[in-house]
Amino acid sequence: DAKTTQPPSMDCAEGRAANLPCNHSTISGNEYVYWYRQIHSQGPQYIIHGLKNNETNEMASLIITEDRKSSTLILPHATLRDTAVYYCIVRGPIYNQGGKLIFGQGTELSVKP
Amino acid sequence: DTGVSQDPRHKITKRGQNVTFRCDPISEHNRLYWYRQTLGQGPEFLTYFQNEAQLEKSRLLSDRFSAERPKGSFSTLEIQRTEQGDSAMYLCASSLDPGQGAWYGYTFGSGTRLTVV
Repeated sequence: DAKTTQPPSMDCAEGRAANLPCNHSTISGNEYVYWYRQIHSQGPQYIIHGLKNNETNEMASLIITEDRKSSTLILPHATLRDTAVYYCIVRGPIYNQGGKLIFGQGTELSVKP
Repeated sequence: DTGVSQDPRHKITKRGQNVTFRCDPISEHNRLYWYRQTLGQGPEFLTYFQNEAQLEKSRLLSDRFSAERPKGSFSTLEIQRTEQGDSAMYLCASSLDPGQGAWYGYTFGSGTRLTVV
């Protein structure tokens, strides 16, 4: 699985958009980008995933660059409850592999009032 | 079904004792995963099951660790002769087999925090 690079920490003002970047320059053509987040003392929570098209769901938007070497997770209107560690993970098709996810250290997002 | 349940939430044990954790996955999920997380680090994969079969084990899973999923439902993770280095959060997750349809990612439990003193 391709390796990812994320900034260790970011701040965001409440109500503003939080844009969390992730570099994955060695991504292969069939590898997906997944985002999870982990709020303190809880297990990680699935947010969104994509292959090459931009994706949006009720939680967030995922923007993947055309060359697929980087992506950005967007929380459109961050709230204090979005304070968490955000993990960007790249892996092959779920049906091709055992299913494990390789977590890095993620980005610690602090949403401030 | 309210999600993945783990029991206990916290466990304090003396070095050398054995401990066992339980995970109850979402009922229709046939895949179950165990991860370990130490302070300031992301979760690390330990092992996973498809139904009752244990299909992959990490090198992190030493001989003192054993996991079972006897009937393809709940799973247990046992650590024998605990060491201080075993202190961590032990996370369980479950998912559908992707071949069964839409895949929405893994659902994690809240974890069992183990402290070895």
